[in-house]
This record gives sequence, structure tokens and C-alpha cells, in this order.
Amino acid sequence: DQQVKQNSPSLSVQEGRISILNCDYTNSMFDYFLWYKKYPAEGPTFLISISSIKDKNEDGRFTVFLNKSAKHLSLHIVPSQPGDSAVYFCAASSGGGADGLTFGKGTHLIIQP
Amino acid sequence: EAGVAQSPRYKIIEKRQSVAFWCNPISGHATLYWYQQILGQGPKLLIQFQNNGVVDDSQLPKDRFSAERLKGVDSTLKIQPAKLEDSAVYLCASSFHRAPGTDTQYFGPGTRLTVL
Repeated sequence: DQQVKQNSPSLSVQEGRISILNCDYTNSMFDYFLWYKKYPAEGPTFLISISSIKDKNEDGRFTVFLNKSAKHLSLHIVPSQPGDSAVYFCAASSGGGADGLTFGKGTHLIIQP
Repeated sequence: EAGVAQSPRYKIIEKRQSVAFWCNPISGHATLYWYQQILGQGPKLLIQFQNNGVVDDSQLPKDRFSAERLKGVDSTLKIQPAKLEDSAVYLCASSFHRAPGTDTQYFGPGTRLTVL
């Protein structure tokens, strides 16, 4: 029973364009959502987060949108750069982020030159 | 600020052998987590410590896995005996545990375990 789903295993985007990564969740108790980026042979690196009291959070080129009614969040990267090529994990937590994270399976983003 | 440290980075053992992994969290971080990431999957929480007490170990296979966090700093995760399906990357993460809605977990590089 997957509580966090990333339905696109991979995504290819041209350099300079917008990358949009999607994530759906089923557990209504989740109230804190995070995106992590992972390079091969490294641990996940925190990218951006959003609390359930917000519907948008921005940090430089990265914006996360949360639609609670649809139980859906998305990560927008604008503009996409070659260094953005990595696996992106969506994660969710209850307890305001104090609880352990439930992860999706990840989306492999490939930025084409 | 130093990140989460883990060792060893790689370990190869035969099934039925035992193995231990070590984690040193970011200084001052009260909460420590161990995750298991099987190839092609997202990380799965095994155990969560708050200082030196266990908060959540509901997904830890307690017949073969054990973990401790003595003195509320470093932690070790042990598997005894190992099975083929334990082949995975074991990730340690830590967080400061401040106000709800602001807690972010920071991950170490992981230990890649191969069980033959």
C-alpha cells in the first residue's frame, strides 16, 4: 500500500525549460511534505519543503505547490539546468515533520542540453 | 557545519553473517533515523530515536535487526543474521526537532550492503 506515489519513473526536459515533477499521497494525516534530490552513491539532499497550512513555497529556481483537496503536490524547476539531472524523491510526514518520512519511488529527471 | 557521517560506505557479507553500521548525526540534532533503501524504491523508515529513546520502530524486523543510540549521539544498526533480501543502502538521517512544520531531516551518504 503505497501512501506516496510518484507515477513517472523518468522525465526528460530540455535545458532552460521548466521541469514539473508530480507526487500524490493518500494519507490524510500527512501535514509536511519535502522534496529530496539524489545523485548516485550519495544520500538524499534536502531541496524544499512545504507545510500543509500553505499551498506554495518558493526557493530560488524551485517552487513546490500543494493541493490538499486533491492530495497532490508538484515541484517546479525553472529554468532547468544540467546539474538538475538526478533522482527526485517526494516525501511526507505527519506530526509537523517530527515523524519519520514516507517516500515515493522517485522520478529520474534528465536535463537534455 | 559537518554533515551526517556513516561508515562503512560499502559492505559485502555472506548470508547468515552479522553486520553493523555506524552513524554520527549533525551536532546538536536530537532526532536520528535509520532508513533502508532497496534498489528502485524510496527509503523506508526502520527506526526513529529521540535523544537515546526509541520513538518508532514499528517497521524494524526485530527478529534480526537491532539498533541503539547510546548517550543520545552516535547510533549503530545491526543485522544478525543477514538474509539475501537485506541487500540495500542503509541511510542515517538526523534532525534538530524544533517546532512542528520546520523539522527537516538531513541524510548521510549511506552504507551499501550486499548479501551473497
